[in-house]
Amino acid sequence: NAGVTQTPKFQVLKTGQSMTLQCAQDMNHNSMYWYRQDPGMGLRLIYYSASEGTTDKGEVPNGYNVSRLNKREFSLRLESAAPSQTSVYFCASSEAVLAGNEQFFGPGTRLTVL
Amino acid sequence: GQSLEQPSEVTAVEGAIVQINCTYQTSGFYGLSWYQQHDGGAPTFLSYNALDGLEETGRFSSFLSRSDSYGYLLLQELQMKDSASYFCAAPGRQLTFGSGTQLTVLP
Repeated sequence: NAGVTQTPKFQVLKTGQSMTLQCAQDMNHNSMYWYRQDPGMGLRLIYYSASEGTTDKGEVPNGYNVSRLNKREFSLRLESAAPSQTSVYFCASSEAVLAGNEQFFGPGTRLTVL
Repeated sequence: GQSLEQPSEVTAVEGAIVQINCTYQTSGFYGLSWYQQHDGGAPTFLSYNALDGLEETGRFSSFLSRSDSYGYLLLQELQMKDSASYFCAAPGRQLTFGSGTQLTVLP
């Protein structure tokens, strides 16, 4: 099993460009999440999907959109990238959005916006 | 909302014991999780405390005191590979992470 996979691993964008980060999990998990991590900081939740067909905003949703394509895949879209969105983006999944449920993280996408 | 405070850095020598503290303020509290992250890597789950007391998993233990809004991660018999960042996290409607403690293990 691959666990949680993310593409691309690295990306450089110019201000105003758009892109989609892809995430897939093969653990049959119901819930999926997108986080961003800035240097020296913890992870901040952007959006999450408790189950297929639902999405909800997290702590820092502005400037992002998400799509839960099916149970396996959850994508994050930046419509008009800004330098403030330079960060490492992690996708994660868990069996359910329940207290204590272990979240499994992908390897991350390192995004630089110039 | 929720906020979690932890020290930014801790240094210890190989073979020693180190404790990483986490204090929290939450509007609703279900328990405390701990994650490990090596440089450039993905966070990995270490433990979860729903109830007060100590949970032991090999060399790592985690403690929770709800009355003190406080928890800690205890790492014993430190090894060089334990050098990493450690995050406490509080599940709620969402999982809120502390800013992390960078542990450096010296030979």
